[in-house]
Amino acid sequence: NAGVTQTPKFQVLKTGQSMTLQCAQDMNHNSMYWYRQDPGMGLRLIYYSASEGTTDKGEVPNGYNVSRLNKREFSLRLESAAPSQTSVYFCASSESQGSNYGYTFGSGTRLTVV
Amino acid sequence: KQEVTQIPAALSVPEGENLVLNCSFTDSAIYNLQWFRQDPGKGLTSLLLIQSSQREQTSGRLNASLDKSSGRSTLYIAASQPGDSATYLCAVRPGDYKLSFGAGTTVTVRA
Repeated sequence: NAGVTQTPKFQVLKTGQSMTLQCAQDMNHNSMYWYRQDPGMGLRLIYYSASEGTTDKGEVPNGYNVSRLNKREFSLRLESAAPSQTSVYFCASSESQGSNYGYTFGSGTRLTVV
Repeated sequence: KQEVTQIPAALSVPEGENLVLNCSFTDSAIYNLQWFRQDPGKGLTSLLLIQSSQREQTSGRLNASLDKSSGRSTLYIAASQPGDSATYLCAVRPGDYKLSFGAGTTVTVRA
């Protein structure tokens, strides 16, 4: 099925460990995004990539890095995980311009940092 | 900065009642507004997208209206069913690429 695929679905890390969350979309979208969702805080943008080859910070970028590997793939890396990064992470994609286009979200990665 | 507010935060209704969910936003310069549904422990499913030039969109029992000048959108769900129980999120797309989300309305439909 067409859409946004995230891996892994669940992960437990120890404080200080690193990991990369993977995201791929097959809708030929130009723009991709990483959000985190926390109780009482809603969805907050971490990083986004408006088009292949570009990345920009969102609201809460500290402690994260991203790579837009190609048009399909956008990864999120935690270099040294902290308990404050325990959250649900969502990847999304969209066309870059035009009011016709909405966002498509992946099913999320549930990350626990102990 | 765009602020998106959803009221009420939670809603419980008996089966068959119509649902009315409200969303307000502070900056009327938007491309579109999107309503999502999120089931517990799951991802976001897009329900309706309203372009800034449109007044409403309909899909089955769902109808969403948009009043851009007053910064409001309303999602109506007719004849609610227990399967409609979920959290509903409103998201506004401004002139750049970044969606701004409301905190959501959690709906419980009692059988």
